[in-house]
Amino acid sequence: EAGVVQSPRYKIIEKKQPVAFWCNPISGHNTLYWYRQNLGQGPELLIRYENEEAVDDSQLPKDRFSAERLKGVDSTLKIQPAELGDSAVYLCASSFRAGGRGETQYFGPGTRLLVL
Amino acid sequence: AQSVTQPDIHITVSEGASLELRCNYSYGATPYLFWYVQSPGQGLQLLLKYFSGDTLVQGIKGFEAEFKRSQSSFNLRKPSVHWSDAAEYFCAVVPIRSGGSYIPTFGRGTSLIVHP
Repeated sequence: EAGVVQSPRYKIIEKKQPVAFWCNPISGHNTLYWYRQNLGQGPELLIRYENEEAVDDSQLPKDRFSAERLKGVDSTLKIQPAELGDSAVYLCASSFRAGGRGETQYFGPGTRLLVL
Repeated sequence: AQSVTQPDIHITVSEGASLELRCNYSYGATPYLFWYVQSPGQGLQLLLKYFSGDTLVQGIKGFEAEFKRSQSSFNLRKPSVHWSDAAEYFCAVVPIRSGGSYIPTFGRGTSLIVHP
């Protein structure tokens, strides 16, 4: 079974440029998560999708971040414009059931973003 | 709001020695508790989780964790460490609330170094 796929793995951009990250969850998983992991810190949830619906997006900086999950499968996270402080690893995870607090989350390898 | 404290940023052990990684949480009620491992350049992998019942939880790779309500702790243990266990370990909590949304909180992580 294929795991969570993320691309690109690495991205270097200049500040004020836009950037997008793509995530393909494990087949059949209804819930998808986007996390940001700053250096030396644990992941911080940005947004959670249950099927196509975005829930738990209170920590998503909506002035510059946007996300979508078309057809309840793949998801894209966008930053426009990027700031120096956005440099981090962006992790995508998925879990099988929607609404399951104790569900096991399966993480992708992440996209490491460096903003210059 | 809930919080998770991992007081040890780094821990160094010799291969074959026992290991204990500490995790304390702050929350009004017993939350769901998780331990994840992250190898360099990889996403997080679930080691074990606790919801209720037996306070000693067995996980993968020979790890176990003990929930102590009186101490608000969920420490991770392994009787004999292997060199391949060198990684970053994260404790996480998810609040137990009926209905609505939830936001998982991760600790800042403990880096395990294994000496041969």
